[in-house]
Amino acid sequence: DIQMTQSPSSLSASVGDRVTITCRASQGIRYYLAWYQQKQGKVPKLLIYGASTLQSGVPSRFSGSGSGTDFTLTISNLQPEDAATYYCQRYDSVPRTFGQGTKVDI
Amino acid sequence: QVQLVQSGAEVKKPGASVKVSCKASGYIFTSYDINWVRQATGQGLEWMGWMNPNNGDTGYAQKFQGRVTMTRDTSINTAYIELSSLRSEDTAVYYCARAPQYGNWGQGTLVTVSS
Repeated sequence: DIQMTQSPSSLSASVGDRVTITCRASQGIRYYLAWYQQKQGKVPKLLIYGASTLQSGVPSRFSGSGSGTDFTLTISNLQPEDAATYYCQRYDSVPRTFGQGTKVDI
Repeated sequence: QVQLVQSGAEVKKPGASVKVSCKASGYIFTSYDINWVRQATGQGLEWMGWMNPNNGDTGYAQKFQGRVTMTRDTSINTAYIELSSLRSEDTAVYYCARAPQYGNWGQGTLVTVSS
């Protein structure tokens, strides 16, 4: 099975910072990569799909890039409400593995 | 608007089975696969499998093969997941989500396995 590896596992940043989270697939998954945000005790929320397409209603400070095996999620101008755990997920095929998550503290 | 509404919390003993439902509304139920994901307390998201509500086709993560069954009732737009031979490690919140990318999730169902 394809493994999804996120880095870092956690980070601490300040309001206004630019934050980058990476996700690496052990084999190519083209652009079939989604990013989710999960706040404590809440349901995960889709941020980005197709590696770079912003889900409707998601602030434009979130952006995604990459294809094949290497992907990034960037949060520009970090806001207090962005404190959460972020997950990547492949959906090119099954199993639709998630990364292990990146916890962002502010 | 698209909604996925799951059944309520369950408490089960080790060795028992649990069946969680996911009722869909706001879209054509048979047009999108339903996937199931679980999350143990303090842990990450774990993909369990998928089901095509149109024809009932399913695919399960290898970890759950033989213990999980995903079904549906198209007359009431509801998907189900049943997990058998429960053990304490199955204690988690179980989510349904609409594929391909999970723009819509159920609210989650806490399943507690305890003697």
